[in-house]
Amino acid sequence: GAVVSQHPSWVICKSGTSVKIECRSLDFQATTMFWYRQFPKQSLMLMATSNEGSKATYEQGVEKDKFLINHASLTLSTLTVTSAHPEDSSFYICSAILSRLQETQYFGPGTRLLVL
Amino acid sequence: QQQVKQSPQSLIVQKGGISIINCAYENTAFDYFPWYQQFPGKGPALLIAIRPDVSEKKEGRFTISFNKSAKQFSLHIMDSQPGDSATYFCAASIGGFKTIFGAGTRLFVKA
Repeated sequence: GAVVSQHPSWVICKSGTSVKIECRSLDFQATTMFWYRQFPKQSLMLMATSNEGSKATYEQGVEKDKFLINHASLTLSTLTVTSAHPEDSSFYICSAILSRLQETQYFGPGTRLLVL
Repeated sequence: QQQVKQSPQSLIVQKGGISIINCAYENTAFDYFPWYQQFPGKGPALLIAIRPDVSEKKEGRFTISFNKSAKQFSLHIMDSQPGDSATYFCAASIGGFKTIFGAGTRLFVKA
């Protein structure tokens, strides 16, 4: 149980275009989802916390107009990288928790973004 | 104050040996300390986690030791196997939120 999927698993796009990444909880309802960014051989950096039906909370230094997060249902959160540039190339990973009473995060498999 | 310091950066262990990874934190508000295993190109997977009211937790070959007064915790992997070769991250959070990850330890278990 507690499976999180991401789509696409990898994407290549041209500079200036927008890319949408989906994060789905497959067998549970996730009131809260998190988005992380990971550069090669580096750690995970929390970008934002996404709650169903409300605006995402962004970490300091993360541009909310650049990284649009929508959590429209209890099983789906999306991250849209707007006007992508080569420096946005990274591994984006989402995670979800079952409820605010549980700390365990279930991670998706990640989405590798390459901006040319 | 939000940092979680992890060491070593890389570790080579013989098959059957014990792998030990250490982490230290500063923020005493952290109340949940998980360890994650990540293989290349994959998302992290939870290995084991501990809360500060417990000094040790064991699950199979994996053990967390927690020293609240020193604000340190460590992961021990007993009888290390080549399949354990991966990157390990410690983390700390407040109720599962605002999770801060350590820098990661790349473990290689020699057959």
